[in-house]
Amino acid sequence: EVQLVESGGGLVQPGGSLRLSCAASGFTFSSYAMNWVRQAPGKGLEWVSGISSSGGITHYADSVKGRFTISRDNSKNTLYLQVNSLRAEDTAVYYCARDHGDYGANFDYWGQGALVTVSS
Amino acid sequence: DIQMTQSPSSLSASVGDRVTITCRTSQSVSNFLNWYQQKPGKAPKLLIYAASSLQSGVPSRFSGSGSGTDFTLTISSLQPEDFATYYCQESFNTVTFGPGTKVDIK
Repeated sequence: EVQLVESGGGLVQPGGSLRLSCAASGFTFSSYAMNWVRQAPGKGLEWVSGISSSGGITHYADSVKGRFTISRDNSKNTLYLQVNSLRAEDTAVYYCARDHGDYGANFDYWGQGALVTVSS
Repeated sequence: DIQMTQSPSSLSASVGDRVTITCRTSQSVSNFLNWYQQKPGKAPKLLIYAASSLQSGVPSRFSGSGSGTDFTLTISSLQPEDFATYYCQESFNTVTFGPGTKVDIK
């Protein structure tokens, strides 16, 4: 069974940092591109970042470029998102999602989400 | 950047109704268009990918159509478990989600 389990969320002050993790199991992690998608309270979905299966190619939304860094450790079956210079508008549930791999980026498995709250 | 719109933003329907949700993109995305269902407090679920391909395990009452800039998600006979918010998402450019359509009980 495919499982994605996020951790590392919490309350952080504006300007602070966090590292989110997503532990994957039930599939060959190193064969799939992975992504982070966030959802602010009561709002819609926003794609944040994506990384290729090998980790060699990364993409970011303009809203987080230069502040967030996506990475992965295929030996540990784990995806990461380093989030720096946090702002109030970064408050959201952060989901990791597996790229289906078939015809463009579409996300067939999602974690349960990790809540990041940016507040003083 | 590609802009996404969905209509309606919300709708009320009854069990057994046929429901249609429209997604429009500001430029052509060919058929790089996907649909998700999200229930409160839960992660989204992939329903349709590549505009019209049904994701494994998704009931056949869900269908997708369209190409270019205009797309449709249809639920042929609404079931109690289908009350949720539906999002379209393009992957032609980077990745952009539509604003969502909330389907609730009439």
